[in-house]
Amino acid sequence: QPVLTQPPSSSASPGESARLTCTLPSDINVGSSNIYWYQQRPGSPPRFLLYYYSDSNKGQGSGVPSRFSGSKDASANTGILLISGLQSEDEADYYCMIWPSNAWVFGGGTKLTVL
Amino acid sequence: QLQLQESGPGLVKPSESLSLTCTVSGGSMSNSDHFWAWIRQSPGKGLEWIGSIFYSGGTYYNPSLKSRVTISVHTSKNQFSLRLTSVTAADTAVYYCARDTSGYYEYWGQGTLVTVSS
Repeated sequence: QPVLTQPPSSSASPGESARLTCTLPSDINVGSSNIYWYQQRPGSPPRFLLYYYSDSNKGQGSGVPSRFSGSKDASANTGILLISGLQSEDEADYYCMIWPSNAWVFGGGTKLTVL
Repeated sequence: QLQLQESGPGLVKPSESLSLTCTVSGGSMSNSDHFWAWIRQSPGKGLEWIGSIFYSGGTYYNPSLKSRVTISVHTSKNQFSLRLTSVTAADTAVYYCARDTSGYYEYWGQGTLVTVSS
């Protein structure tokens, strides 16, 4: 199965922005992929945040603030989750997910610390 | 509000089968917009999709687990089940059930820890 690469950890201060990345393998084009993002706090199941295909094809999870947004960097074959105006409650693990061909595949997750 | 709840043994012996049930409340499973999924998370590790089932019984499984997995649905009880055969310590994980809307997993159970050990 393809491996989605996420940095194991990231940190930022309250009020700042955090840019979390999800790099697809070279044989999967990020431009052709829906990228799904999930947030997981300790002891809780994952929570759907959003999916992003393009600026005209994207969706936000129910109750998810607009300060969570998605984008892509085609040159790096990477999906991006941007969290602006960081709050302490944003400290969590973040997972990306795609459907490359025959299975849902999750990235390894990034632990975001809000300093 | 839709709720999902996993149930089943918390301890399974190596080489035996793991069986879990997910009970759905607050809504009917017989909705053509959704599949119903099992996802697991090994301790301290990431998420792994196991497979999904449609209310009519159609399934699709993770190829890496397909030979050992069976997911079945019991719409009259508003339940669906997971069976994983020939388990090893590598199958120790928190198992979640969730509603699958083409990758949009909005509703999840709280998860149940299954430990494989003799």
